[in-house]
Amino acid sequence: QVQLQQWGAGLLKPSETLSLICAVNGGSFSGDYWNWIRQSPEKGLEWIGEISQSGSINYNPSLKSRVTLSLDTSENQFSLRLSSVTAADTAVYYCARGERLGATRHFDYWGQGTRVTVSA
Amino acid sequence: SSALTQDPAVSVALGQTVRITCQGDSLRVYYASWYQVKPGQAPVLLVYGENSRPSGIPDRFSGSSSEDTASLTITGAQAEDEADYFCNSRDSSAFFASYIFGNGTKVTVL
Repeated sequence: QVQLQQWGAGLLKPSETLSLICAVNGGSFSGDYWNWIRQSPEKGLEWIGEISQSGSINYNPSLKSRVTLSLDTSENQFSLRLSSVTAADTAVYYCARGERLGATRHFDYWGQGTRVTVSA
Repeated sequence: SSALTQDPAVSVALGQTVRITCQGDSLRVYYASWYQVKPGQAPVLLVYGENSRPSGIPDRFSGSSSEDTASLTITGAQAEDEADYFCNSRDSSAFFASYIFGNGTKVTVL
């Protein structure tokens, strides 16, 4: 049974960098994609990006310029950095496993969520 | 990018059947997956692929698809099914892999 445990700062000021880490327990990185997804009342669910053990990374085009994804196989963790945050980045952020089904993926395991608030 | 469009809200009487739809050009190419979201909880995957459910998801949840529309059907709705439901698929208009969600449907069980 795969479990995702995430953590990171929950209160940021505008222009700061959001940083979150997600630890994967009970599974390995190989074969799957590791995702970040956020939820806000204004935008609903929004996919941020994914990373695989092979080094493949894909981003939401609207966030690409500010997002950095990385993966640490030795620690079974992956991370998200989102730079130059604004109030529009206020959301609950989730890490999730993207299980491959042909050319697409579905998100079958999710972290518990981290509420991030951006406020001066 | 493409968009996935859902009705904002639907209601269903306890024990009755409700269908939630999701429309978008990407659904002509890729399967949809469906998620249940309750306040303060992480999303839960309900249905994916042609009509598959993860272990532990009740069989009252089922999925179907036709052309540009995917549907999630709850057969015999229970009080605990009151939640928001989101569809998701890969964006067929994106060169690189990119994923989009519908705007969500709030289901009220009467």
